[in-house]
Amino acid sequence: NAGVTQTPKFQVLKTGQSMTLQCAQDMNHEYMSWYRQDPGMGLRLIHYSVGAGITDQGEVPNGYNVSRSTTEDFPLRLLSAAPSQTSVYFCASISAPPFEQYFGPGTRLTVT
Amino acid sequence: AQKVTQAQTEISVVEKEDVTLDCVYETRDTTYYLFWYKQPPSGELVFLIRRNSFDEQNEISGRYSWNFQKSTSSFNFTITASQVVDSAVYFCALSEETSGSRLTFGEGTQLTVNP
Repeated sequence: NAGVTQTPKFQVLKTGQSMTLQCAQDMNHEYMSWYRQDPGMGLRLIHYSVGAGITDQGEVPNGYNVSRSTTEDFPLRLLSAAPSQTSVYFCASISAPPFEQYFGPGTRLTVT
Repeated sequence: AQKVTQAQTEISVVEKEDVTLDCVYETRDTTYYLFWYKQPPSGELVFLIRRNSFDEQNEISGRYSWNFQKSTSSFNFTITASQVVDSAVYFCALSEETSGSRLTFGEGTQLTVNP
């Protein structure tokens, strides 16, 4: 039982490159979310999903795409990386109410 | 819209002091959930506690205690006899029944416990 896994742990991209941050959970949760954490700003919601095939935008969705083809996986895509996307990214798998969030270890992304 | 405010950006104490981290929230829902998370220097997010809006009982867990007051929309966290290992960033967070799994975080309080 791995919980929530994220890959990679670290990534450096050049401006304009694309990449996918992977997130997988083995808890059979319907809900999953992506957050970014910037210094002094706490965590902000990028996109979330309430089940396979259903996704929606959070607070800061611009520049990111998501899809949810299976219950287990919720990848986050950066189509054209920008320095403003330098951040730490956390994926969460979330239980049914009361919505306990189980976070992955995070991905530290630097865009130069 | 839901909002969480942690007015204390940084707190520095000496070991064995008691310290209280403040959290004030805003919500229009009558059913909501409040959380505290710890983020140590290693970076992971560690769940500490969840409190439902209909349960105003305070809670104590070892050196940690939480004071939930709906009248003042506050959910404060106290560490008694602080230790160096308590040094971390602490986040308060809120989810509403109507917003489901979406969690709104405060900006965090950096706690430094000096020996």
